[in-house]
Amino acid sequence: GQQLNQSPQSMFIQEGEDVSMNCTSSSIFNTWLWYKQDPGEGPVLLIALYKAGELTSNGRLTAQFGITRKDSFLNISASIPSDVGIYFCAGKFTSGTYKYIFGTGTRLKVLA
Amino acid sequence: NAGVTQTPKFQVLKTGQSMTLQCAQDMNHNSMYWYRQDPGMGLRLIYYSASEGTTDKGEVPNGYNVSRLNKREFSLRLESAAPSQTSVYFCASSEEFTSAGYTFGSGTRLTVV
Repeated sequence: GQQLNQSPQSMFIQEGEDVSMNCTSSSIFNTWLWYKQDPGEGPVLLIALYKAGELTSNGRLTAQFGITRKDSFLNISASIPSDVGIYFCAGKFTSGTYKYIFGTGTRLKVLA
Repeated sequence: NAGVTQTPKFQVLKTGQSMTLQCAQDMNHNSMYWYRQDPGMGLRLIYYSASEGTTDKGEVPNGYNVSRLNKREFSLRLESAAPSQTSVYFCASSEEFTSAGYTFGSGTRLTVV
């Protein structure tokens, strides 16, 4: 099945640094979602994006729906140790379908 | 407010054994889903139930069956477990079939030896 390409696959950063990750697809999506998964837990929705160019923030997190509709970006500002986890993007092709495609994840580790 | 509850949290099966993974949600959501998560891969949809009384196949349904017992509960059954089914299984729910985001359970880690 199709998957989204997320990069980087993993990253180690120092506490206080900003983080950027992205998700790309060969297909056009009409919805992008960003999830965070803590160790031993299920993913939790962080941000939902619904139209090209949309920029949405949730605290220190900011996500953007790429204007080509084939990519999305997530930025975390001033990282803290509790930001550690795996970040997943998910995209949906068209309205009225279940079909969310999930990315392979970006594993973030924050060094205090 | 428990959200989505999955049982068991961990399970080891021998090849050929059967088992049922249980999932219940207390948010009055209409739609429920079963995903599997494998290393280096995104979540892949096994089966879903858009509403009580309906179930449909997702991306990777082979080797699994599901039952939407009522609005709250959606179970996943492995009739004859295979090592390829070693994975972490997540149940999720959403208010409606077209809702943007899902609420996930904490997962069941299944190992088939």
